[in-house]
Amino acid sequence: AQKITQTQPGMFVQEKEAVTLDCTYDTSDPSYGLFWYKQPSSGEMIFLIYQGSYDQQNATEGRYSLNFQKARKSANLVISASQLGDSAMYFCAMREGGSSASKIIFGSGTRLSIRP
Amino acid sequence: DTGVSQNPRHKITKRGQNVTFRCDPISEHNRLYWYRQTLGQGPEFLTYFQNEAQLEKSRLLSDRFSAERPKGSFSTLEIQRTEQGDSAMYLCASSLLDSGGITDTQYFGPGTRLTVL
Repeated sequence: AQKITQTQPGMFVQEKEAVTLDCTYDTSDPSYGLFWYKQPSSGEMIFLIYQGSYDQQNATEGRYSLNFQKARKSANLVISASQLGDSAMYFCAMREGGSSASKIIFGSGTRLSIRP
Repeated sequence: DTGVSQNPRHKITKRGQNVTFRCDPISEHNRLYWYRQTLGQGPEFLTYFQNEAQLEKSRLLSDRFSAERPKGSFSTLEIQRTEQGDSAMYLCASSLLDSGGITDTQYFGPGTRLTVL
């Protein structure tokens, strides 16, 4: 079964609009972490934001916020005031277990295109 | 600090040849990871080190693949007898697992793109 599901293969958004990228996850471990990474066409994976399963508040980092709905097992990324430079692939990822765990499992990604 | 670096950035080889990639992590990071990413997919975990110890290997890591981190700093990933199916982007990441052990965020390098002809 898919551990991380990103149902939007591609999205087009007008510049300056907000955009929500969907992510659902599947785990029975009570301790886990959720990550979002951005991958521009140049290929590097850029860390954006992290949410721990025990965090009481939704994570925010500048224009990025994570809409964490634990009961629904969703961790959507919200980008406010989108910019042309936001055009990239976006990956949701999860690490099961505490921070002593190792690998993270990635979804298949969403390609975001910002229209001027 | 300049982040995670990987060399070479691109490698083209013929089937059956051996290739070796290098990863230099962020200097204070004690964990190092290797992932493989094929076109249109998210990265897939291959293996990871904590200091010089290789603690986990994926089933994806066949016996043609070997990774080392001899002094707990840089790491190498070698693929022997390459096959066309090995063509992919190989990503390295590093993280710091400190005594607090809170986030352990992985920071990625630019990757090595391997093409096997």
